[in-house]
Amino acid sequence: SQKIEQNSEALNIQEGKTATLTCNYTNYSPAYLQWYRQDPGRGPVFLLLIRENEKEKRKERLKVTFDTTLKQSLFHITASQPADSATYLCALTGANNLFFGTGTRLTVIP
Amino acid sequence: GAVVSQHPSWVICKSGTSVKIECRSLDFQATTMFWYRQFPKQSLMLMATSNEGSKATYEQGVEKDKFLINHASLTLSTLTVTSAHPEDSSFYICSAIQEGAYNSPLHFGNGTRLTVT
Repeated sequence: SQKIEQNSEALNIQEGKTATLTCNYTNYSPAYLQWYRQDPGRGPVFLLLIRENEKEKRKERLKVTFDTTLKQSLFHITASQPADSATYLCALTGANNLFFGTGTRLTVIP
Repeated sequence: GAVVSQHPSWVICKSGTSVKIECRSLDFQATTMFWYRQFPKQSLMLMATSNEGSKATYEQGVEKDKFLINHASLTLSTLTVTSAHPEDSSFYICSAIQEGAYNSPLHFGNGTRLTVT
């Protein structure tokens, strides 16, 4: 069965640094990969979508890479701010399925 | 942007009673809605996929007679937890697809915190 792992349950980083979150998957070949942000007690909010034929996608301070050979996506937040503190989820999408990773709880320390 | 409204945001009920949770797409037609359950510090667990006008598709291990899903219109899906028990206490979240394609971003409701006493 498919498995999605996000590198760490929690990540602490100093304000201003770049946060890098990892999403690894096995037994699956997703056509798309998405990243979401979830704040406590709230539903996830869509951030970025990257297709299997795209290497990199950017949106403001966010950057996502997608390596189908390594079966890995990296999610970067540059110039991190305390307001970026949240749980970040990767999600793999195919034709008829959608699977979420376990999430990484990011804390940006002022 | 697309908005999904979920109601209620929290509910406390007694064991053995039923609870209905509503999920509405406010400014778009959602042909497909998803229902998730999330336990503390865990990821979203897909419970079922709801398509307008047809029976929901449940994930393995999810009791369809316990978690009743109705998707009667393009803007409303409901999840009813029947004969709730304390182990059903969780955070339930719905999401909707705007174009009916799995490659579209999901729009999530803000979730319902269910506590069964």
